[in-house]
Amino acid sequence: QKEVEQNSGPLSVPEGAIASLNCTYSDRGSQSFFWYRQYSGKSPELIMFIYSNGDKEDGRFTAQLNKASQYVSLLIRDSQPSDSATYLCAVNDSGGGADGLTFGKGTHLIIQP
Amino acid sequence: DTGVSQDPRHKITKRGQNVTFRCDPISEHNRLYWYRQTLGQGPEFLTYFQNEAQLEKSRLLSDRFSAERPKGSFSTLEIQRTEQGDSAMYLCASRFRERVEETQYFGPGTRLLVL
Repeated sequence: QKEVEQNSGPLSVPEGAIASLNCTYSDRGSQSFFWYRQYSGKSPELIMFIYSNGDKEDGRFTAQLNKASQYVSLLIRDSQPSDSATYLCAVNDSGGGADGLTFGKGTHLIIQP
Repeated sequence: DTGVSQDPRHKITKRGQNVTFRCDPISEHNRLYWYRQTLGQGPEFLTYFQNEAQLEKSRLLSDRFSAERPKGSFSTLEIQRTEQGDSAMYLCASRFRERVEETQYFGPGTRLLVL
């Protein structure tokens, strides 16, 4: 049974600071890693994906992957109140033929003005 | 609007009734996925299709659930004899299989309430 673990929060961060969201996963065969943002009552929206160890930057967002530690993180720089949402970590083992994403429960992020 | 669409957006039904949801994927996307999300949880994978073929079904997909994608375009998810525990947001997603970097894009969801 694949598992994805996230701290449910809430994680409270002052506006303008760096928000750090963490995720661990159980299946070493996982190959693709995704961060989705979900506002209350809305569907998940893709923020970033990462496949290789290391960092990947996109604007104010940086995803970090460490396959040896089975750990993936998302950094949000210069946090804005509009970043307040639930952030979902998801993994995919597409190499094994299975293609459904396994999600964590999400971390509720609050950016304090 | 060229995104994933779902219909209806909301459904209220009585226990024991059957319900059917529809998903229209992004037009060039050949893979279509169904997920279920309950309050405070992440989405849980139910099933997916490549074109019209249903390639994987989760253990969550009981015998009361059936999904189809008859022409490889839109898909339907039917729940027979609904139970209160079926109350959830049902999410559809799609992607284009041949692009490695493509990920799944979600529709707005159908929120089901079983009374």
